[in-house]
Amino acid sequence: AQKITQTQPGMFVQEKEAVTLDCTYDTSDPSYGLFWYKQPSSGEMIFLIYQGSYDQQNATEGRYSLNFQKARKSANLVISASQLGDSAMYFCAMREGGGGNKLTFGTGTQLKVEL
Amino acid sequence: DSGVTQTPKHLITATGQRVTLRCSPRSGDLSVYWYQQSLDQGLQFLIQYYNGEERAKGNILERFSAQQFPDLHSELNLSSLELGDSALYFCASSPPQGGNEQYFGPGTRLTVT
Repeated sequence: AQKITQTQPGMFVQEKEAVTLDCTYDTSDPSYGLFWYKQPSSGEMIFLIYQGSYDQQNATEGRYSLNFQKARKSANLVISASQLGDSAMYFCAMREGGGGNKLTFGTGTQLKVEL
Repeated sequence: DSGVTQTPKHLITATGQRVTLRCSPRSGDLSVYWYQQSLDQGLQFLIQYYNGEERAKGNILERFSAQQFPDLHSELNLSSLELGDSALYFCASSPPQGGNEQYFGPGTRLTVT
């Protein structure tokens, strides 16, 4: 079974609008972490935001916030006030407590920000 | 700039050959991770080293091996290369206190012809 599922292969959003990128996960480990990375066309992987399974508050980093719904096993990324530079591939990833620190990645969502 | 360096940036080689990819982690980071990103397999964890010792192993082929040296840089060796080994190979590092972030290097794009 997929451990990380990103069901949106591609998304479009207008500049200055907010967009939500979906991510669901599957684990039986009570201790885990969820990550979002951005991969622009240049190829590098840029860390955006982290949410721990025991964190009470949803994580936020500037224009990025993580909508963490533990019961639903979802960890959606919300980007507010989209900018043209946000056009990229976005990956959701999970680190399980019993699996060392390795990350398991989803298949990614290609986001295109339009004028 | 994440602080993780990888060389070379691009590598083109023929089937059957052997190559070595090099990674230097961020200053102070003891863990190094190797990931492979290919069109058909997506992003996959290969192997992790912590302070010179192998810590975790993922879907790494027997033709591939890695090591971490005393200065903490790491090398990923790929041998008997096949067309399907063409991919972007990332190295990442994380802080010693089990920090949450994994910082990725710029990657090495390997093309096997």
